[in-house]
Amino acid sequence: DGGITQSPKYLFRKEGQNVTLSCEQNLNHDAMYWYRQDPGQGLRLIYYSQIVNDFQKGDIAEGYSVSREKKESFPLTVTSAQKNPTAFYLCASRIQGQVIFGSGTRLTVV
Amino acid sequence: KQEVTQIPAALSVPEGENLVLNCSFTDSAIYNLQWFRQDPGKGLTSLLLIQSSQREQTSGRLNASLDKSSGRSTLYIAASQPGDSATYLCAGEYDRGSTLGRLYFGRGTQLTVWP
Repeated sequence: DGGITQSPKYLFRKEGQNVTLSCEQNLNHDAMYWYRQDPGQGLRLIYYSQIVNDFQKGDIAEGYSVSREKKESFPLTVTSAQKNPTAFYLCASRIQGQVIFGSGTRLTVV
Repeated sequence: KQEVTQIPAALSVPEGENLVLNCSFTDSAIYNLQWFRQDPGKGLTSLLLIQSSQREQTSGRLNASLDKSSGRSTLYIAASQPGDSATYLCAGEYDRGSTLGRLYFGRGTQLTVWP
């Protein structure tokens, strides 16, 4: 079955640590996205990539980094510079207007 | 900055009612519009996509329409069921070069359908 796989489902980070969230898709989609969801707020765009080896900042990119070395993969690193990283992170891919989301990673700072 | 408003923020209804969920965009020049469903703690499931040349889409008991002149979209749910309980989000996309593909989301309508 084609789809988007995010891992891990739950992630705990200590203060000052960097952590990387995985996002893999086998849909052959060119465009991929990372969104952050906080209670009571809409989804906010962190980074997006339209093609391999290219990506752009979204609205809340500070404290995050990404790479797009392969079409199938778009990992997100939450760095220690992100002061409030506790949130639900959603990865998505898109083709011809149709956007498909993964099941999300819940990150908690402990 | 694009603003997306969803009304109502929450809705609680008995089973069997026909429902209307509303979504509006400050910039009405929407290229594509999608409606999603989100269950607690889960990712988003795409329900309906209205593409640039379309004004309406239907899937089963769901019907979505888009008025591009006003930047307003409506999701109609017929004969609601308890299984429809979830948060419904609308998202718009604009055709402005490199921003194509970015979705602008509303905060959602939290729907509860009780037996």
